[in-house]
Amino acid sequence: DGGITQSPKYLFRKEGQNVTLSCEQNLNHDAMYWYRQDPGQGLRLIYYSQIVNDFQKGDIAEGYSVSREKKESFPLTVTSAQKNPTAFYLCASSRQKNTGELFFGEGSRLTVL
Amino acid sequence: GQQLNQSPQSMFIQEGEDVSMNCTSSSIFNTWLWYKQDPGEGPVLLIALYKAGELTSNGRLTAQFGITRKDSFLNISASIPSDVGIYFCAGQGHYGGATNKLIFGTGTLLAVQP
Repeated sequence: DGGITQSPKYLFRKEGQNVTLSCEQNLNHDAMYWYRQDPGQGLRLIYYSQIVNDFQKGDIAEGYSVSREKKESFPLTVTSAQKNPTAFYLCASSRQKNTGELFFGEGSRLTVL
Repeated sequence: GQQLNQSPQSMFIQEGEDVSMNCTSSSIFNTWLWYKQDPGEGPVLLIALYKAGELTSNGRLTAQFGITRKDSFLNISASIPSDVGIYFCAGQGHYGGATNKLIFGTGTLLAVQP
C-alpha cells in the first residue's frame, strides 16, 4: 500500500546530540513537509520541499536541517542548536504544490533527556 | 507563525450526541480544511472546502466555509466512540507575505463516553 513511513517511532537522545528522523513516501508526491507538534498547539512548519534538490525554511527552521536528494525521501536532522527539541514530529507529502491536502506519516516522538 | 483560533479546546460528550466546533481568523482564507488526529498518529484529512459558503458532508461529518471567508465550522452528528481524537482546522491563503501559506488551528480534543 502507498503511504508515508516515518522512523523511528520513538527516539531518546542526550542534550548536545544531533539526531536524524527518517521520512519515506511511495506516493510519487513532489512536495514533502516537516511539522512539529507540541501539546495544546497546532502544527508548525519546519521545512518543506516542492521538488528534489530544493527545500525552503518554514516558520520554525532554526536548529533543524533537511535534505531532498531523492523524491521519496526527506530526512530531518534535529541539531544540538535546537533549544527545545522534545516534541512530536510529523512528515507529510502532497500530490500538488501549494495545496493544503496533506498526507501525514504516523509521526516520530523525540525526547531529549 | 500565527495560528487560527479554534474552539472549543476540548469536549467531553456522551455517545450519540452531536458535536460542533469552529475556527476563526482575522485573515481571509481561500481554502479551509479539517483534519482528525487519532492518539499517537498523524492527522488525516476529513474535508476540504474551496468556496465561500460551501457546505460539504463526509458521512456523519459536515463542514462549512464561512461566507466571510474568515471562519469555518465542523459538525459531527450522532457521535460514536471512534470519533475520539483531536480535530484540527487549517486555513490556506495569502498570509504573512506568503502565498498559499497553510495555517493550523490549535485543535479541539473530543472525548466520547460510551
